[in-house]
Amino acid sequence: GENVEQHPSTLSVQEGDSAVIKCTYSDSASNYFPWYKQELGKRPQLIIDIRSNVGEKKDQRIAVTLNKTAKHFSLHITETQPEDSAVYFCAARALGTDKLIFGTGTRLQVFP
Amino acid sequence: NAGVTQTPKFRVLKTGQSMTLLCAQDMNHEYMYWYRQDPGMGLRLIHYSVGEGTTAKGEVPDGYNVSRLKKQNFLLGLESAAPSQTSVYFCASSYPRRLAAGEQFFGPGTRLTVL
Repeated sequence: GENVEQHPSTLSVQEGDSAVIKCTYSDSASNYFPWYKQELGKRPQLIIDIRSNVGEKKDQRIAVTLNKTAKHFSLHITETQPEDSAVYFCAARALGTDKLIFGTGTRLQVFP
Repeated sequence: NAGVTQTPKFRVLKTGQSMTLLCAQDMNHEYMYWYRQDPGMGLRLIHYSVGEGTTAKGEVPDGYNVSRLKKQNFLLGLESAAPSQTSVYFCASSYPRRLAAGEQFFGPGTRLTVL
């Protein structure tokens, strides 16, 4: 079955710097890769997603890139702000299934 | 719309007790999921359902049972609670992947402690 690895587990950056979180997946049939943000004590919420027929997707300060050959995808946050502090989860869904397999999460701290 | 709601928000059980967690959604979603979240382990799928009357096992189904008698509700049962089931439980729902991108909408979570 699908396995998703996520790095780093914690990331600290200065406000205004960029942050990058990386994930790798094992099932080459996976075709959908969402990223969820979870603030402390809150529910996970989708922030951006990408399908396997697209290499990059941007939404204001966040972007996701996908390398199908290497089976990895990354979340990029530019001009970080304190409100970006949260736990971020990547996930992958294999073709033909309805299940998401999540990575173990990255705790991002943005210091003012 | 309330979205996805979960009952209860908190619960403390003794080992061996049973309980049922209720998830309800008002978005007319076909698919519903139960996850558990433990520190350092992300979100792990317990069971899921692709429609009323159907259920399927996820990654960590042992010790749990589920039922989907109504489209809007998905129940998670613990027949004999164990300390290893101490966790935060999240319910989620989504449209079928053939109809939408697949975004899952999460409930607020239930914090369960088993002593």
